[in-house]
Amino acid sequence: DVKVTQSSRYLVKRTGEKVFLECVQDMDHENMFWYRQDPGLGLRLIYFSYDVKMKEKGDIPEGYSVSREKKERFSLILESASTNQTSMYLCASSLGERGGYTFGSGTRLTVV
Amino acid sequence: GESVGLHLPTLSVQEGDNSIINCAYSNSASDYFIWYKQESGKGPQFIIDIRSNMDKRQGQRVTVLLNKTVKHLSLQIAATQPGDSAVYFCAENIQTGNTPLVFGKGTRLSVIA
Repeated sequence: DVKVTQSSRYLVKRTGEKVFLECVQDMDHENMFWYRQDPGLGLRLIYFSYDVKMKEKGDIPEGYSVSREKKERFSLILESASTNQTSMYLCASSLGERGGYTFGSGTRLTVV
Repeated sequence: GESVGLHLPTLSVQEGDNSIINCAYSNSASDYFIWYKQESGKGPQFIIDIRSNMDKRQGQRVTVLLNKTVKHLSLQIAATQPGDSAVYFCAENIQTGNTPLVFGKGTRLSVIA
């Protein structure tokens, strides 16, 4: 069964910490995405990548960075976590220019 | 800019009835649309998609209708079941280049037993 795996379901971090959220897909998909999901705001795109070592800013990249050293892994980095980054983070992948996304189960991050 | 929205943020339906979830989009260049279902504690799951050269597409108990004239998309669920309770998102993809999907804010469907 193909899937997207996010390394943590729940995470609690302190303000100012550097946080790494990991995402791995086993479908050989070129495209990978990071979204955050907040009540009333839906899914907002943070960063995406269409190839290894390639990254593009989404709608809300401030305070985040990403890394894609291997095709199957896309990491989201919070350089200095803040309380307004408390959210559900969703990773997704897709094949080619068309087609739906396959999502991971999400990481609920709380910054205290 | 392009946007994807929903007419109703919440919808309550009696078990066994049909459900209709609506979505409006503003970008006439969008040519691919997807409906996702997100159950509590899970990531969104693909339900059904439709391309702009079609008006209707049917799946198992679900039908998606596309009205390009008024830029409207709907998801119909037949004989709604308690397991259909979830948040439903529509998403659109614009024609130019390899651009990410744009998601609507979601509609919560509650099925009343």
